[in-house]
Amino acid sequence: GNSVTQMEGPVTLSEEAFLTINCTYTATGYPSLFWYVQYPGEGLQLLLKATKADDKGSNKGFEATYRKETTSFHLEKGSVQVSDSAVYFCALKGRSGGYQKVTFGTGTKLQVIP
Amino acid sequence: DSGVTQTPKHLITATGQRVTLRCSPRSGDLSVYWYQQSLDQGLQFLIQYYNGEERAKGNILERFSAQQFPDLHSELNLSSLELGDSALYFCASSVGDGTRSYEQYFGPGTRLTVT
Repeated sequence: GNSVTQMEGPVTLSEEAFLTINCTYTATGYPSLFWYVQYPGEGLQLLLKATKADDKGSNKGFEATYRKETTSFHLEKGSVQVSDSAVYFCALKGRSGGYQKVTFGTGTKLQVIP
Repeated sequence: DSGVTQTPKHLITATGQRVTLRCSPRSGDLSVYWYQQSLDQGLQFLIQYYNGEERAKGNILERFSAQQFPDLHSELNLSSLELGDSALYFCASSVGDGTRSYEQYFGPGTRLTVT
């Protein structure tokens, strides 16, 4: 079946540091890839997405590129802020068991300190 | 605010009991998805309904059931509750039936504690 593996957290960075959160996937066919963010006490929000190979999703300074050759979708941001502290989930949407399903990674907690 | 509402926000109940969680999707969205988020299992897809019909099934236990009503709100019923059912239950909605990459909008969740 489909699966998503993302780096374990927590990740602790100083403000203005560079962020990378690794995400790799296993899927049949051509899945769509997503990053969701969950702020404390809230539900998940879509951060960015990419629907085909070499697409780059971007939003709020975050970027991720769909790399089919390495089956990866790493999340990056050039300069993090304290307000970016949250849990980040990598996800894919693909066919599994005859349905289109979204499969989430385990989440990576990011803590940004001033 | 995603436009998806869930009630109740918190629920505390005892083992063996039955509870119902409710979700109202965003206006215009026809699909409702249910997810369970626990510390040991992460975020797990349970089930999807589209316009009243079951569309996809994930890791949903037989003790759990769901339905979507004609006004498109959905209920998740959890019965014979066990301690391990303690988790955050999220509902999400999207405009399509799930075949295309429409965004899913998540509600704030219901925190279930089974004692």
